[in-house]
Amino acid sequence: DQQVKQNSPSLSVQEGRISILNCDYTNSMFDYFLWYKKYPAEGPTFLISISSIKDKNEDGRFTVFLNKSAKHLSLHIVPSQPGDSAVYFCAASAMYSGGGADGLTFGKGTHLIIQP
Amino acid sequence: NAGVTQTPKFQVLKTGQSMTLQCAQDMNHNSMYWYRQDPGMGLRLIYYSASEGTTDKGEVPNGYNVSRLNKREFSLRLESAAPSQTSVYFCASSGTSGSNEQFFGPGTRLTVL
Repeated sequence: DQQVKQNSPSLSVQEGRISILNCDYTNSMFDYFLWYKKYPAEGPTFLISISSIKDKNEDGRFTVFLNKSAKHLSLHIVPSQPGDSAVYFCAASAMYSGGGADGLTFGKGTHLIIQP
Repeated sequence: NAGVTQTPKFQVLKTGQSMTLQCAQDMNHNSMYWYRQDPGMGLRLIYYSASEGTTDKGEVPNGYNVSRLNKREFSLRLESAAPSQTSVYFCASSGTSGSNEQFFGPGTRLTVL
């Protein structure tokens, strides 16, 4: 039973346009969400996070939106650049419920391809 | 700062052989984790250590053992490797309260024949 779902295995976006990556979760205990970026043959690197007390967090070109009632979050990248081509993982934890050190639950990832 | 380091980078084993994957972090983090990633899958938690001296099972612990040797080092052992354990293994670490951000190592690509 997947608790974190990324339903789009891949997404192709033109350079300069907006990339929107989506993530859904089922576990109501999740209260902290993270996005990781992964290049081939490398470990995932942290991109941006959001806690359940917020509905938006912004860091440069990256913005994460959280809709708690829908159990849905999305990552927006504006403008998209060729270096953004990578696999993006959504991850969740029950950090504020005492599960902060228990590890993250990951989605299967979305392969973002930025076309010139 | 090297961050999180893992050895070896690649390993090929025969079914039934044993090996230990090593992980070390130099960020003075309390918590350390082992994940595996299979094709088309996200990362799945094998074992974790919330603090020095403690270890707990994650989502997929069968066939593995771990040792938190000290605050810096967390090893993963396969006692009798099986083809189903062919995967990429990632070690990660995280600090204490404030954020759940985990820092990952470069991974170990393991093939079991």
